[in-house]
Amino acid sequence: DSGVTQTPKHLITATGQRVTLRCSPRSGDLSVYWYQQSLDQGLQFLIQYYNGEERAKGNILERFSAQQFPDLHSELNLSSLELGDSALYFCASSVGTSGYTGELFFGEGSRLTVL
Amino acid sequence: AQSVTQLDSQVPVFEEAPVELRCNYSSSVSVYLFWYVQYPNQGLQLLLKYLSGSTLVKGINGFEAEFNKSQTSFHLRKPSVHISDTAEYFCAVSGPRGGGKLIFGQGTELSVKP
Repeated sequence: DSGVTQTPKHLITATGQRVTLRCSPRSGDLSVYWYQQSLDQGLQFLIQYYNGEERAKGNILERFSAQQFPDLHSELNLSSLELGDSALYFCASSVGTSGYTGELFFGEGSRLTVL
Repeated sequence: AQSVTQLDSQVPVFEEAPVELRCNYSSSVSVYLFWYVQYPNQGLQLLLKYLSGSTLVKGINGFEAEFNKSQTSFHLRKPSVHISDTAEYFCAVSGPRGGGKLIFGQGTELSVKP
């Protein structure tokens, strides 16, 4: 158990809809990262938040947005969904109060299926 | 920009045989290197990491990797694999100023056969 919790584990929705994925980081971790895993693109970095502020942005579509709340949990919002958005979305956390160790701790992912 | 290339998408091997999973990286700055493992229907778990110091790094489950700066490689090895090592393995890179995000390779599917 990595200590990172993601909900929901599975989500099936239709094209054009909007969904929200939720992530609770490990206790004490200040950074949250979102990754998308698909068969054709592999593991793609989407976005990183550190203590509520956006820290880095990767290949995140404009239809997608994220935020990190004061309690450090994070949400990834996916809107105007397309078939190609079907993927496994991972949240990871790091940078506890002991400082940077290089390691990211991953949740078990949220599998999104767009029909 | 940093990038990672995993040279083999699939590696089939018999139980108790040695295995090497190859990883090359590209970066204009110093890097941190990682190997993660993903078992079916699970998240990623850290196998080992290189931040600095000794270029031979030992990880969990008997895996080790060697950082070779001149060849920009970080190959993963295990002298004797088990059926339970069947999984997807990902090489990843980050940098001291990267903010912590990891850039992953495409993954290598290790299939251990009895």
